[in-house]
Amino acid sequence: ETGVTQSPTHLIKTRGQQVTLRCSSQSGHNTVSWYQQALGQGPQFIFQYYREEENGRGNFPPRFSGLQFPNYSSELNVNALELDDSALYLCASSLGVGQGRDTGELFFGEGSRLTVL
Amino acid sequence: GQSLEQPSEVTAVEGAIVQINCTYQTSGFYGLSWYQQHDGGAPTFLSYNALDGLEETGRFSSFLSRSDSYGYLLLQELQMKDSASYFCAVISGYALNFGKGTSLLVTP
Repeated sequence: ETGVTQSPTHLIKTRGQQVTLRCSSQSGHNTVSWYQQALGQGPQFIFQYYREEENGRGNFPPRFSGLQFPNYSSELNVNALELDDSALYLCASSLGVGQGRDTGELFFGEGSRLTVL
Repeated sequence: GQSLEQPSEVTAVEGAIVQINCTYQTSGFYGLSWYQQHDGGAPTFLSYNALDGLEETGRFSSFLSRSDSYGYLLLQELQMKDSASYFCAVISGYALNFGKGTSLLVTP
């Protein structure tokens, strides 16, 4: 069983640039959620994708956008980067949108650490 | 809105027992989860309570009181490898809403 994998692991951008982060979900999982974790904070929900559509969104501006592909992998895109976007971006997968409610368990990747200068 | 409160830091001795409390305010509550995260690592699932009471998984136990909007994680027979951040998270809608985390330091 392959776990959640994310790429790149680290990257550095400058203000105003755009970034794309990638996530491959755990084998058999069809739902992907993205979280932002600032230093010393808990992960904050960005959005969730199910059946290639955004299924729920947290309090993040529209410059945060995403995609899910037929193989359930996903991308997170952030436009017009700001200094405060520096964070660890975590991808989590689950089987169905209700798995979190049923078991409380999401499967996280190790994240992509973004630094904005 | 959602809010979760947990202590920022806890220190305990190897072999001891430690309890990490979590209080929450939320709408649409389904359950309370606990996650462990080592520095630079992925959050990993520890335990989940949807109903009141105690859930035990090896050295870790978790408790929930829905009427008090309160839960705790109990770690027994602490080991050095338990030094990590611990997060409580409320399942609300489709999202996990995390607290700010408790940094646990286990000392010899």
